[in-house]
Amino acid sequence: KQEVTQIPAALSVPEGENLVLNCSFTDSAIYNLQWFRQDPGKGLTSLLLIQSSQREQTSGRLNASLDKSSGRSTLYIAASQPGDSATYLCAVRRGGTASKLTFGTGTRLQVTL
Amino acid sequence: DVKVTQSSRYLVKRTGEKVFLECVQDMDHENMFWYRQDPGLGLRLIYFSYDVKMKEKGDIPEGYSVSREKKERFSLILESASTNQTSMYLCASRGRDREAQPQHFGDGTRLSIL
Repeated sequence: KQEVTQIPAALSVPEGENLVLNCSFTDSAIYNLQWFRQDPGKGLTSLLLIQSSQREQTSGRLNASLDKSSGRSTLYIAASQPGDSATYLCAVRRGGTASKLTFGTGTRLQVTL
Repeated sequence: DVKVTQSSRYLVKRTGEKVFLECVQDMDHENMFWYRQDPGLGLRLIYFSYDVKMKEKGDIPEGYSVSREKKERFSLILESASTNQTSMYLCASRGRDREAQPQHFGDGTRLSIL
């Protein structure tokens, strides 16, 4: 059974700092991995999707990497801003019809002024 | 732009009532999902559907049912609401499985059962 772990559970950094969020998964036979952010009381917003054949994806100040063989992904946020404060979740999907996502429990990020 | 719309942001119902949560997507997606999210338990899949009139149980289907009569709409039904179904409910949709598309979520419905 796939298990997804995100460490740390919470992180506080000063504005402007570069930071890395970690995601690890136990079964490397994944189809893709997706990063989301969730603001308090809201739904999930998709940030980046990495296919199993890719090593990284970039969107603005965000860069996600994937090392499938070691079961790890990282989300790099450059020049953090207070507006980046949210919970970040990763989710992995195996292949096959209508396959489900397996979610991590998230990292709660606070960027302080 | 991608749009998943849940009919209510907040809902208060009484124990024993039949409750309907509605979700509509405008992206012609085949796959639709219902999750609940609780502190400390994360996101848990209740039901999903990969086509009209098709449904599959997720990890916690007990006490729930679903309906998908049209491709764009996926309804979650609490047959007889109980207090332990107080939670945040999230709907999601995703395109064809052979196309590796991201999953998109609605804003959620915070449901309270009194």
